[in-house]
Amino acid sequence: DAKTTQPPSMDCAEGRAANLPCNHSTISGNEYVYWYRQIHSQGPQYIIHGLKNNETNEMASLIITEDRKSSTLILPHATLRDTAVYYCIVRLRSNDYKLSFGAGTTVTVRA
Amino acid sequence: ETGVTQTPRHLVMGMTNKKSLKCEQHLGHNAMYWYKQSAKKPLELMFVYNFKEQTENNSVPSRFSPECPNSSHLFLHLHTLQPEDSALYLCASSQDGGGTYNEQFFGPGTRLTVL
Repeated sequence: DAKTTQPPSMDCAEGRAANLPCNHSTISGNEYVYWYRQIHSQGPQYIIHGLKNNETNEMASLIITEDRKSSTLILPHATLRDTAVYYCIVRLRSNDYKLSFGAGTTVTVRA
Repeated sequence: ETGVTQTPRHLVMGMTNKKSLKCEQHLGHNAMYWYKQSAKKPLELMFVYNFKEQTENNSVPSRFSPECPNSSHLFLHLHTLQPEDSALYLCASSQDGGGTYNEQFFGPGTRLTVL
């Protein structure tokens, strides 16, 4: 699976949009981009995934660049409960069980 | 509440003890997973079960012994552990373990301390 690079940490103001970048320059054409998050002392939680089109659900939006070498997870109105470690993972759809977690980005939402 | 429960939530054991971690999923999924998360380290996949059959053993030491009696229950039997085995042990489940994608749902984890 392709390797991803994320900033180690970022701060965000409550009520503002949080834009989390992820680089995956070695991604192949059939690899998907997934985002999970882990709130302190809890198990990871699925957020969203996409292949090449932008995706939106009730939690977040995923913007994937046209060359697919990077993506951005957008939390439209960050709340204090969004403070967590966010993981960007790239993997083959057929390789479903292989979730390879990196260090992720520690996002701190401040009041 | 994700539909995946784990017991106990906290466990302290000596190196000579034998204990078991339990995971139960109420989602009707067919695949279950054990992960280990040590302090300051990424999650590591340990075992995968798909339709009760083990499909992945990620070079885990034999002092960790998984058991999957049915698609809803997963155990991790522990014996003669080392202090470096202290970690958060997470269970997850998904609709199946291959082919079509389904996201994994994680339990809250068991915080294990080996003295």
